[in-house]
Amino acid sequence: EVQLVESGGGLVQPGRSLRLSCTASGFTFGDYAMSWFRQAPGKGLEWVGFIRSKAYGGTTEYAASVKGRFTISRDDSKSIAYLQMNSLKTEDTAVYYCTSGTLITLATFWGQGTLVTVSS
Amino acid sequence: QTVVTQEPSLTVSPGGTVTLTCASSTGAVTSGYYPNWFQQKPGQAPRALIYSTSNKHSWTPARFSGSLLGGKAALTLSGVQPEDEAEYYCLLYYGGAQLNWVFGGGTKLTVL
Repeated sequence: EVQLVESGGGLVQPGRSLRLSCTASGFTFGDYAMSWFRQAPGKGLEWVGFIRSKAYGGTTEYAASVKGRFTISRDDSKSIAYLQMNSLKTEDTAVYYCTSGTLITLATFWGQGTLVTVSS
Repeated sequence: QTVVTQEPSLTVSPGGTVTLTCASSTGAVTSGYYPNWFQQKPGQAPRALIYSTSNKHSWTPARFSGSLLGGKAALTLSGVQPEDEAEYYCLLYYGGAQLNWVFGGGTKLTVL
């Protein structure tokens, strides 16, 4: 059974940093792209970014709203994906979800999400 | 800025058929946008239903189908069940210099 468990969320002040982790199990982690999505309270879904598998170069892509501030990385030996969030803004407040999938089925499996609140 | 538009809300009777659509501000949606559809119920994470326009995941009920219709991506539910009441989101791929995946605003489907 595929499982994705996000952790690392919490309350953080504007301008500070936070790192989220996504621990995966139940599939060959290194074979799949890992993505991050978010959902602000009461709002719709937003794609944040993804990292390709090593077979596709392990490169990353980001939404314009987070490019230059957020960084996605992966540790295939530990089956963990990370989302490093710097220079956080109040509008980054959301539930953050990690997903696994291919480059076409970007979000086949979803974690339960972790809440990030950016507030002073 | 690219905008993906869905119906804000739709209502369907149990056993009925309903079609949700997903339009792009850039023009007609084609298979090259790799339309994905997701279902989200209150307090839950989204669940993938359809990928690449019309392909179902192993857990997707047979009553859900995806297609292209009149320049839009479409999700059709045939024989709607009460448990289908949920928010539905489409997701489109935009390639190019700035790769981007964009969600529609979601359709709240009420089964009444």
